[in-house]
Amino acid sequence: SQTIHQWPATLVQPVGSPLSLECTVEGTSNPNLYWYRQAAGRGLQLLFYSVGIGQISSEVPQNLSASRPQDRQFILSSKKLLLSDSGFYLCAWSVDQGRNTFGSGTRLTVV
Amino acid sequence: AQSVTQLGSHVSVSEGALVLLRCNYSSSVPPYLFWYVQYPNQGLQLLLKYTTGATLVKGINGFEAEFKKSETSFHLTKPSAHMSDAAEYFCAVRNNNNDMRFGAGTRLTVKP
Repeated sequence: SQTIHQWPATLVQPVGSPLSLECTVEGTSNPNLYWYRQAAGRGLQLLFYSVGIGQISSEVPQNLSASRPQDRQFILSSKKLLLSDSGFYLCAWSVDQGRNTFGSGTRLTVV
Repeated sequence: AQSVTQLGSHVSVSEGALVLLRCNYSSSVPPYLFWYVQYPNQGLQLLLKYTTGATLVKGINGFEAEFKKSETSFHLTKPSAHMSDAAEYFCAVRNNNNDMRFGAGTRLTVKP
């Protein structure tokens, strides 16, 4: 069966520090992968999606970047965090035209 | 803890028919509720949300949802389905930590 792992669950980082959130999927091949963010008081916003290794599409300009070094690995990064990067980050995957399956999320607090 | 249940993983309607996608939630605090749509090979898009105030919320593409506290429901409706409405629909609730919890999703198929 397919599973998705996202870590860490919570993270507190100082302003200006780097960020790396990792997401891996098991039990499927060539999934579409997504990173979403939910800022406080708002709904979910798509940040990046990937249809294959090394293929990243960005939905909004921001302080973040994403990479897909392997078929089932999706990494969200930042070189220097801003206070406004605080939020809840969700990784998700889908296959072909299937529905998104979500990871458990990461609560990032930038202080 | 907050949670969301979507009844029916797959709903099929004829073009022009009423669309009804069911969502029930559990929440220990006044909920913020959301409906998202996902078209094939795309990410989630916000359809509508309920925070406070009027319990009937209107969203994009002719969809609306009504918050019914007594029934702990937030069902999504559209009077007349269009072929372009075929997609996955997700109900979500914002939890105590301001994090989102999603339902499993409902796939809407529209028949000509």
